[in-house]
Amino acid sequence: GAGVSQSPSNKVTEKGKDVELRCDPISGHTALYWYRQSLGQGLEFLIYFQGNSAPDKSGLPSDRFSAERTGGSVSTLTIQRTQQEDSAVYLCASSLIGRGAIYNEQFFGPGTRLTVL
Amino acid sequence: DAKTTQPTSMDCAEGRAANLPCNHSTISGNEYVYWYRQIHSQGPQYIIHGLKNNETNEMASLIITEDRKSSTLILPHATLRDTAVYYCIVRQNTGANSKLTFGKGITLSVRP
Repeated sequence: GAGVSQSPSNKVTEKGKDVELRCDPISGHTALYWYRQSLGQGLEFLIYFQGNSAPDKSGLPSDRFSAERTGGSVSTLTIQRTQQEDSAVYLCASSLIGRGAIYNEQFFGPGTRLTVL
Repeated sequence: DAKTTQPTSMDCAEGRAANLPCNHSTISGNEYVYWYRQIHSQGPQYIIHGLKNNETNEMASLIITEDRKSSTLILPHATLRDTAVYYCIVRQNTGANSKLTFGKGITLSVRP
């Protein structure tokens, strides 16, 4: 079956430009997460969505970062006025919420590699 | 901060069992132990998780000590494709606490 997909797979942009990264979660997965992985670093949580609840934005590094999730499915991560330190692989994951509001394992997409020149 | 500590790296001969240790001495009663791995240039992949009982699936076995302060991931017959960074993570299974906090993981190198 289809897994989590992300687009584009690679994005090169100039400092100061805005970028949008897209995530298509697995159908039926109502929980969606964004992480990023900088070169040589571990994975860092950015933001989390669940259904119609307010997203958990506690991991966003600055107000240049924002994300939305339309219709409870596709999500877009937007980085405004990109900086070189934003260069990283941005990973999206989705999860099924089981009975009793139990969050099951997260399935990750292949990521978008962002390079800011 | 990650709540787990793992060795930085280990290696294993192909076909042999790989035993990857993890310490999580501050784990709380409602936290599960999860293992993910990340093969080079790919997104993380879920392997297995457990609360207090030992678990086994088609990929691996998870052995959790009785006091739950440590665990071991066992790959019974390692192959070259198992070379990856393996992350041991503790997390709750509810709501906002469901996000994953990754540490540096352990780099497993499987040699021919």
